[in-house]
Amino acid sequence: QVQLVQSGAEVKKPGASVKVSCKASGYTFTSYGISWVRQAPGQGLEWMGWISAYNGNTNYAQKLQGRVTMTTDTSTSTAYMELRSLRSDDTAVYYCARYILHWFDPWGQGTLVTVSS
Amino acid sequence: SYVLTQPPSVSVAPGQTARITCGGNNIGSKSVHWYQQKPGQAPVLVVYDDSDRPSGIPERFSGSNSGNTATLTISRVEAGDEADYYCQVWDSSSDPVFGGGTQLTVL
Repeated sequence: QVQLVQSGAEVKKPGASVKVSCKASGYTFTSYGISWVRQAPGQGLEWMGWISAYNGNTNYAQKLQGRVTMTTDTSTSTAYMELRSLRSDDTAVYYCARYILHWFDPWGQGTLVTVSS
Repeated sequence: SYVLTQPPSVSVAPGQTARITCGGNNIGSKSVHWYQQKPGQAPVLVVYDDSDRPSGIPERFSGSNSGNTATLTISRVEAGDEADYYCQVWDSSSDPVFGGGTQLTVL
């Protein structure tokens, strides 16, 4: 079955960087894109960006431009999301999701990133 | 950017029908997708392209979209349907957008 498995929880200090991984299985990795979506505690869903697993093209949310980088490793069917210059309001659960046409399915289990001094 | 508006909460008794709305300017011209998120879990796609269901999603879940409102309808509501529900669209002039979410309470 199609599955996305993410790396474990992280605790970071303000100003640091975090890199979250998302390993795909059960489908041809390069046939779909991967999107990243985050959810702050008690809040809704926020789209962060998208990467094509076919050619590496990216599209980032404007508010994160310059701080986020999304990459893929097709040899291991793994996507990565790096967020730099972390602030307290970056504390959230970060999800990867397979991007099909215009929707997301399935989603990874989520990775909690806590930014605290 | 495009804005989607959902009611914060909807309550329904077991066995009844729940309707969760998603408002947006001329949303009827866009494809709307719906996600269910239970506490502590990742979102799950329950309806895509306005009214299609992924495999494994019960027929009790259905969707419609017209004018300025899209609606997720859950028939014969069960206790296990209690969750947050999010609508989402992709707008060609914008990035993917999510509604603020609706908490469904089964009384």
